[in-house]
Amino acid sequence: QQPVQSPQAVILREGEDAVINCSSSKALYSVHWYRQKHGEAPVFLMILLKGGEQKGHEKISASFNEKKQQSSLYLTASQLSYSGTYFCGTVQDPGTYKYIFGTGTRLKVLA
Amino acid sequence: NAGVTQTPKFQVLKTGQSMTLQCAQDMNHNSMYWYRQDPGMGLRLIYYSASEGTTDKGEVPNGYNVSRLNKREFSLRLESAAPSQTSVYFCASTQPIYNEQFFGPGTRLTVL
Repeated sequence: QQPVQSPQAVILREGEDAVINCSSSKALYSVHWYRQKHGEAPVFLMILLKGGEQKGHEKISASFNEKKQQSSLYLTASQLSYSGTYFCGTVQDPGTYKYIFGTGTRLKVLA
Repeated sequence: NAGVTQTPKFQVLKTGQSMTLQCAQDMNHNSMYWYRQDPGMGLRLIYYSASEGTTDKGEVPNGYNVSRLNKREFSLRLESAAPSQTSVYFCASTQPIYNEQFFGPGTRLTVL
């Protein structure tokens, strides 16, 4: 089952902040975040690992709550270039390579 | 390095026709994936290959077959295309599993 993201869509003005959540019905061992611009392929933003290690983007941060099986992506001081659809991604079953994506959040930043 | 390449970029089929989508990566990755993305929707896993010589079903495998030809190439075949298979198909690769997925540019398939 796909992780569920919320909100489904959000509209911001430049400079505003946003939080995108990703919730899984199964245990999460690592979470990746991607952004997809219209008509393009998804591009990796960030990885979060158990234990809190994260690597990725300079202006976007994220958190990972293993107990709640949730991850959140924080976009601060949003820019026009942040517009797109954001997906979380994870390996569904440990020990396999079955990688699935969340339901997606459409973000639009207005000038 | 080209990264992940996919051919063709666009394709129109009639119901019942067959075709093969090609994917190749030059990053020496072990794992490769095929996803489909319907308009305004998320990415759904069709098939994946953890390593050369292995393939496994994803969330929506019905109507598709795959071949991991070698470490570089992973093809997706539609034996008898149906309008419900109209979608954008993305190939991706990764190595190792906890690193990010690298995507190809996608194949836009329309089945009439």
